[in-house]
Amino acid sequence: GENVEQHPSTLSVQEGDSAVIKCTYSDSASNYFPWYKQELGKRPQLIIDIRSNVGEKKDQRIAVTLNKTAKHFSLHITETQPEDSAVYFCAALTSGTYKYIFGTGTRLKVLA
Amino acid sequence: DAGVIQSPRHEVTEMGQEVTLRCKPISGHNSLFWYRQTMMRGLELLIYFNNNVPIDDSGMPEDRFSAKMPNASFSTLKIQPSEPRDSAVYFCASSLVLYRAPYEQYFGPGTRLTVT
Repeated sequence: GENVEQHPSTLSVQEGDSAVIKCTYSDSASNYFPWYKQELGKRPQLIIDIRSNVGEKKDQRIAVTLNKTAKHFSLHITETQPEDSAVYFCAALTSGTYKYIFGTGTRLKVLA
Repeated sequence: DAGVIQSPRHEVTEMGQEVTLRCKPISGHNSLFWYRQTMMRGLELLIYFNNNVPIDDSGMPEDRFSAKMPNASFSTLKIQPSEPRDSAVYFCASSLVLYRAPYEQYFGPGTRLTVT
């Protein structure tokens, strides 16, 4: 069945450094790839997304890249700040099924 | 817009009792999703609806779980009878999904269920 693999499971960076989280999806028909940030005790919040007709999207310090051939997509956070510390989830939506497949999450710690 | 609304926010119940979780999706959204989140299993999709019709309930753990969506603005997830292993945070999410044109999915605040 459909699957999304997410790496790494934990990531620690120094404040000001960059962080990269990678996901691989299995269904080549997937056409929408959102990223969510979940702070402790809170709901997952959509932070950025990308559709399959675009290779890269940027919003201030965060960016997402998509490689459809390799079925990879990545989240890039630059100039990390302590408030970026959270669990980040990637997801892939399979066209025509309305079903979002989530990765297992990455716990990001930004050390001050 | 108030976003996705869930109630109750917290529920503590005894094993064997019936539990009903409620969700109001964002107005205009046509898809509704129920997820369960635990430390051990992460974020699991239980069931999702499109235009009030259940599309895929393969994630529902067992017959003790049931979900309904009687209209576009309301859904329930029921557990009967509840067991301690059902303790988790249950999220409802909604989205506008058109064929080949998906839009953002938004989560509700969640219901933290504790079964003792």
